Amino acid sequence: QSVVTQPPSASGTPGQRVTISCSGGSSNIGSNYVYWYQQLPETAPKPLIYRNDQRPSGVPARFSGSKSGTSASLAISGLRSEDEAEYYCVTWDDSLSAPVFGGGTKLTVL
Amino acid sequence: EVQLVESGGGLVQPGRSLRLSCAASGFAFGDYAMSWVRQTPAKGLEWVGFIRSEANGGTTEYAASVKGRFTLSRDDSQSIAYLQMSSLKIEDTAIYFCIRDIPGATRAHYWGQGTLVTVSS
Repeated sequence: QSVVTQPPSASGTPGQRVTISCSGGSSNIGSNYVYWYQQLPETAPKPLIYRNDQRPSGVPARFSGSKSGTSASLAISGLRSEDEAEYYCVTWDDSLSAPVFGGGTKLTVL
Repeated sequence: EVQLVESGGGLVQPGRSLRLSCAASGFAFGDYAMSWVRQTPAKGLEWVGFIRSEANGGTTEYAASVKGRFTLSRDDSQSIAYLQMSSLKIEDTAIYFCIRDIPGATRAHYWGQGTLVTVSS
């Protein structure tokens, strides 16, 4: 059981806005940045959000990140079929002195 | 262009050893920490360990699940990071990714394509 939890699945229809949560505690999300990755099948994870809410160049503005207290969220607006992927959050845990990944959320575009 | 290419994966029996390599190019390898993360269908992404740059001591950190069995090293002259895996267990079966920087602590933007390690008798 990961110290950082994500819902195993999420879904939406094209054009919709979907949010994926990432919940932790005071030693991880509560005191450190959160990063988000998108993983398409058979590929390596691709960076989507860094430092809670920053987008790397090339990532569409449809993707946004936020953090409040011990939880973080990834929002995808204007959902597209190509957004169907696995999404992971990761942060540092001060108690473990290690990175901790969420379990991943499989996003299905209906 | 930054590139990370893992190699060395394959089928290995429980209890045996295997060494993975991560060949880096397109950046000043010696300036960066290098991490390893593995992925299984059951557990998703799991941090394995990282090795700091020599400027930061070149020290290593490991996940509890691999500590004492896995060893990270680096050859800055060749821009290669290594993951030596010993006393392999069936549960070590995974795709292993090498990553520039430390995911969760820094902007770990660059990942290799991964190499599959299968531990089976």
